[in-house]
Amino acid sequence: SSDLTQPPSVSVSPGQTATIACSGEELEYMFISWYQRRPGQSPVLVIYQNDRRPSGIPERFSGSSSGNTATLTISGTQVLDEADYYCQAWDGDSHVIFGGGTELTVL
Amino acid sequence: EVQLVESGGGVVQPGGSLRLSCAASGLTFNYNFYAMHWVRQTPGKGLEWVSLINGGGGRTYYVDSVKGRFTISRDNSKNSLYLQMNSLRKEDTALYYCVKDRGYDTPDGMDVWGQGTTVTVSS
Repeated sequence: SSDLTQPPSVSVSPGQTATIACSGEELEYMFISWYQRRPGQSPVLVIYQNDRRPSGIPERFSGSSSGNTATLTISGTQVLDEADYYCQAWDGDSHVIFGGGTELTVL
Repeated sequence: EVQLVESGGGVVQPGGSLRLSCAASGLTFNYNFYAMHWVRQTPGKGLEWVSLINGGGGRTYYVDSVKGRFTISRDNSKNSLYLQMNSLRKEDTALYYCVKDRGYDTPDGMDVWGQGTTVTVSS
């Protein structure tokens, strides 16, 4: 199965744009989902099918994918966006894969 | 509001067994239309997918480390999901989440998560 690689941490100032990358050798053939996990809480789906946003997720969250890299973008980042973010894919055969997670710090 | 409530976690010795259960309530959807997962979070680490079962229950998938030891199943008449865990190892220690997927057969985004139940494997 294909691995998904994320940076361990990203820092951004409030109001700025945060970008979190997720790379994988076969990623261009996969749909990517993104999850937000705040400390002590269950994960929340924020993006699915690369760029689709579930109802209730703020418009400042967006996703994109090109080649072997998918990107989660948070525009106008707020302090409450501070969390761990995970990308996830289905390998098309028999495995679900999570990236290692990225800790987003807003300061 | 859809809720997934896990139960069955606890402390078990290496080599022991546990059965996790997950009950769906507040349903505004047909439970059997959607695939379900078990996903675990190890202390201080990230998320790890454990197992998937499709909406009808006829297709199941597992992470390699639990194949042959864990069995996922569902009872659509009871809106319930299960995970039978045998031959438990210390590395299975984790918080186990029951998760609903948007898709029926293959994953399309995990859109509802339970609060999790803790499994501790220790002698």
